[in-house]
Amino acid sequence: GAGVSQSPSNKVTEKGKDVELRCDPISGHTALYWYRQSLGQGLEFLIYFQGNSAPDKSGLPSDRFSAERTGGSVSTLTIQRTQQEDSAVYLCASSLATAWVQGAGYTFGSGTRLTVV
Amino acid sequence: EDKVVQSPLSLVVHEGDTVTLNCSYEVTNFRSLLWYKQEKKAPTFLFMLTSSGIEKKSGRLSSILDKKELFSILNITATQTGDSAVYLCAGRPRTSGSRLTFGEGTQLTVNP
Repeated sequence: GAGVSQSPSNKVTEKGKDVELRCDPISGHTALYWYRQSLGQGLEFLIYFQGNSAPDKSGLPSDRFSAERTGGSVSTLTIQRTQQEDSAVYLCASSLATAWVQGAGYTFGSGTRLTVV
Repeated sequence: EDKVVQSPLSLVVHEGDTVTLNCSYEVTNFRSLLWYKQEKKAPTFLFMLTSSGIEKKSGRLSSILDKKELFSILNITATQTGDSAVYLCAGRPRTSGSRLTFGEGTQLTVNP
């Protein structure tokens, strides 16, 4: 697609429920990233996928968080047994593998605002 | 642990003013520094700086990196109300894939 697409744009869930957030990257972008942005905070790295390589999961805050990327394209971030501190905007970004050589950064989606009540 | 600190955290100016936003970084094996503008949700890419002392410019925006003092500045001249946004700075290391460490951002408000 023309840009990085995320869905839903907003999600309100009850504490303890599981949620799935979806990211559809730009066609042809091999790298995909998830970040989250809590109120008044900078973006916090969660996970990074590059092609067929094993993902870098080092930013996932707990084992309640997991992500997968099917067919090298769409990614789903799953949060199990949500807690109030999970409330944040979850941003997905994608890039070409050569983006850094070209002097470009990633392209972000508009994010999913998750509210856990 | 890598760290990026931005200042000021918030700034209110009048249209036509010039502003300077600051970013200092401590990034292991530093490779480059990036600036993004975030108006609603999606940050949009502004600049990537890799070499010290070379100014990057786009219209009224410009940025420069000092790798000796570990900081960067973003200048906006003749500000307009459309420049109101959060400006994010991020450091990128040579290793660890392409993950970025972001600062908290500077909230810029330009009043008419």
